Amino acid sequence: AQSVTQLGSHVSVSEGALVLLRCNYSSSVPPYLFWYVQYPNQGLQLLLKYTTGATLVKGINGFEAEFKKSETSFHLTKPSAHMSDAAEYFCAVSGNNFNKFYFGSGTKLNVKP
Amino acid sequence: SAVISQKPSRDICQRGTSLTIQCQVDSQVTMMFWYRQQPGQSLTLIATANQGSEATYESGFVIDKFPISRPNLTFSTLTVSNMSPEDSSIYLCSVEFSGRAPDTQYFGPGTRLTVL
Repeated sequence: AQSVTQLGSHVSVSEGALVLLRCNYSSSVPPYLFWYVQYPNQGLQLLLKYTTGATLVKGINGFEAEFKKSETSFHLTKPSAHMSDAAEYFCAVSGNNFNKFYFGSGTKLNVKP
Repeated sequence: SAVISQKPSRDICQRGTSLTIQCQVDSQVTMMFWYRQQPGQSLTLIATANQGSEATYESGFVIDKFPISRPNLTFSTLTVSNMSPEDSSIYLCSVEFSGRAPDTQYFGPGTRLTVL
């Protein structure tokens, strides 16, 4: 079975500060992991994904995430927050036998001037 | 990726009526899915829309309430039937191109439904 836990439903950072959004997963098979961003009144946009290979994955808008199997984590980071990063972020897990995605509960990122 | 559009983008409906939401992709895709995002919550998969056959529904969702069609590789509809205020949600379609894991799901902009 697959599941995703996102710690912190709301995260607030100052502009220019480090962004860290946490995602832990549970998977009975090797996981494929995704981060999506949802801006207000819009659909979901893919930020980055991990399937195999390099565990540090770089995505769009300066975001990156590191797959840590020992910690069952896939935390999302960005060195310096911009006001435009304010949005809701969803972590998702999929498996190698099926297409079903399991989404976390989401983390709303607020960026303060 | 592809351009995924949904119609309508939003609607306000009366209790007991039905609404059909369309999802159109500008290229052929293998898999199409429908999700519900209730206010302040995450995404819940309603069903996988299968081309030429009945949709595959997740636990808690039934065909009578959420009939789905997928007549070809670029188009699908979701109907929300006999609506109640609890159906007020964002409904999103998503697509995959290869149908083989690990594939990525790409999402449409969503349909914001309010039921009075």
